[in-house]
Amino acid sequence: DSGVTQTPKHLITATGQRVTLRCSPRSGDLSVYWYQQSLDQGLQFLIQYYNGEERAKGNILERFSAQQFPDLHSELNLSSLELGDSALYFCASSEGGPRTGELFFGEGSRLTVL
Amino acid sequence: DQQVKQNSPSLSVQEGRISILNCDYTNSMFDYFLWYKKYPAEGPTFLISISSIKDKNEDGRFTVFLNKSAKHLSLHIVPSQPGDSAVYFCAASAWGNAGNMLTFGGGTRLMVKP
Repeated sequence: DSGVTQTPKHLITATGQRVTLRCSPRSGDLSVYWYQQSLDQGLQFLIQYYNGEERAKGNILERFSAQQFPDLHSELNLSSLELGDSALYFCASSEGGPRTGELFFGEGSRLTVL
Repeated sequence: DQQVKQNSPSLSVQEGRISILNCDYTNSMFDYFLWYKKYPAEGPTFLISISSIKDKNEDGRFTVFLNKSAKHLSLHIVPSQPGDSAVYFCAASAWGNAGNMLTFGGGTRLMVKP
């Protein structure tokens, strides 16, 4: 158990819809990262938040947005969903310093867009 | 542009033998490298890391080798066990990147046969 909690574990929705994925980081971790893993692909970095502020942005579509709340949990919002958005979405957390080693990943949220 | 590549999507090894997983990178700014292991329906878990000031790091059955001139790293598992069957991702980060943003390779599926 990494200590990172993601909900929901599975989500099935239709094209054009909007969903919200939630992540609770490990206790004490200030940084939250979102990664996307499409079928048989590697993990693609989407976005990072540190203590409520956006710190880094990767290949995140404009239809996607995220935020980190004062209690440090984070939400990833996916809108105008397309079939290609079907993927595993992982949240990870770390202490958040310049180089604090590894990230701790949640179990992921599997999104299926029909 | 894939900055971290794992060119072997799969590898099959007999129990007790050595497993060698390879990873190449192109960004010369990367100076910290990690290996993650991922079982089905679970998030990636940290396995071992190496800083660019070293060329080898060992932890039990796992050893990571780094060849900076070739921009290549490898993970050796000796002896391989059936429980090592998983997808292995290599990842890299660069000092100066925001926080701990990691760039992942596409993964190698290791199958250890009893």
